Amino acid sequence: SQKIEQNSEALNIQEGKTATLTCNYTNYSPAYLQWYRQDPGRGPVFLLLIRENEKEKRKERLKVTFDTTLKQSLFHITASQPADSATYLCALLDTGRRALTFGSGTRLQVQP
Amino acid sequence: NAGVMQNPRHLVRRRGQEARLRCSPMKGHSHVYWYRQLPEEGLKFMVYLQKENIIDESGMPKERFSAEFPKEGPSILRIQQVVRGDSAAYFCASSPGWDSPLHFGNGTRLTVT
Repeated sequence: SQKIEQNSEALNIQEGKTATLTCNYTNYSPAYLQWYRQDPGRGPVFLLLIRENEKEKRKERLKVTFDTTLKQSLFHITASQPADSATYLCALLDTGRRALTFGSGTRLQVQP
Repeated sequence: NAGVMQNPRHLVRRRGQEARLRCSPMKGHSHVYWYRQLPEEGLKFMVYLQKENIIDESGMPKERFSAEFPKEGPSILRIQQVVRGDSAAYFCASSPGWDSPLHFGNGTRLTVT
């Protein structure tokens, strides 16, 4: 069956450290993968998109990698800040589909 | 440029009543998506519409649920004869194209009593 797995346990890190979140998928052939941030009571906000032929994408303190062999994407936040505390969702567009499928998200807590 | 607007933010319905959730996409966006989220769970795809057409409704229950995106006016997600299990946050998103990132509204929280 198809699965998108994100660590359901919250990730707690100290301010200034690098946060690394994982997204693994099974039985998908994604054309691309996206990462979103969701704060409590709010809708998700788009952060980054990485295509199947790209290995890495960066935007300010954010970095995403995409390994189609391992079927995994890693999402990094460098020099993390308490304001980065939120739930981070990965989403992929499966080949032949036209709507994103989301993982269940990982909650990040950055301690000051 | 206003973002995706959803209303109401909170909706309380008794079992058996109808719920109507509205979504106005961002200006210039003709693609609308509805997702449902239960507490501590991810977003579950329900339906994807493009002006007056339903493109993909594979995630929407066949009974009691319907969606529309008319030529004029907001997209509507309609749930007839609501049951307690329909209680959830319903998010609408829009995009200018099917392969563009999604812009989400802040959701409608439906509570069925």
